[in-house]
Amino acid sequence: DGGITQSPKYLFRKEGQNVTLSCEQNLNHDAMYWYRQDPGQGLRLIYYSQIVNDFQKGDIAEGYSVSREKKESFPLTVTSAQKNPTAFYLCASSIGLVNEQFFGPGTRLTVL
Amino acid sequence: AQSVTQLDSQVPVFEEAPVELRCNYSSSVSVYLFWYVQYPNQGLQLLLKYLSGSTLVKGINGFEAEFNKSQTSFHLRKPSVHISDTAEYFCAVSEPGGSYIPTFGRGTSLIVHP
Repeated sequence: DGGITQSPKYLFRKEGQNVTLSCEQNLNHDAMYWYRQDPGQGLRLIYYSQIVNDFQKGDIAEGYSVSREKKESFPLTVTSAQKNPTAFYLCASSIGLVNEQFFGPGTRLTVL
Repeated sequence: AQSVTQLDSQVPVFEEAPVELRCNYSSSVSVYLFWYVQYPNQGLQLLLKYLSGSTLVKGINGFEAEFNKSQTSFHLRKPSVHISDTAEYFCAVSEPGGSYIPTFGRGTSLIVHP
C-alpha cells in the first residue's frame, strides 16, 4: 500500500538532546513537508522540500533542521535550540506544491 | 499570497442534525480548495477538493462543499451528522500556477453530541 510512515508514534527525550523524527513515503511524490501542531494552534509549517537536495524554511524553522537526500525520505531533527519542542509533528507529501497533501500518522514528541 | 479564515473555532451539534463549517479565503487569482479531517492523535485525511468545474463538490463520509467565487467561500456541509464525525476540520487553499504551498486555516472542532 502506498502512503506515508512516521516513526515512532511517541517519542520521549530529555531536555538538551537532539532528536530525529523519521518520515518516509512511497507515493513517488516530489514535495514533502513538516508541520508542528499544538493545541488550538492549527498547523504551522516548519520546512518543506520540492525536490531532492533542496528545502525551504517555513514559518517556524528556528531550532529545527532537515535533509532531503532521497526522494522517499525527509527526516526532521529537533535540536536543543528549539525552546519548546513538545508537540505533535506531522509529515506530508504531495505531487506538487499546489496539490492535495497526504499526511502521515504523526509523531508526538515529549521533552522532559 | 493566499489566506484562509475558518470563522468558527468550535461547532457543537446534536447527532442527526445538519452542520455547516465555514471557510473563507483571500486570493486574487484562481484557486484550488481543500477540506481535510483530523481525528484525535491522527494525521489529516482529505475529505474533498475543488480544482475546477462544478462548484458543488462531494466528498467522503457524506460531506459536500460549495465553491462560491463571488463570496470567496468554500463552506463544508453534511445533512445529518454522526457521533463519529467528531473531529477537527481544516480548510486549505492554493493557487495553481503559483509557487506557494497550500495555506491552512486554523481548524474547526466539530463536536457531535448524542
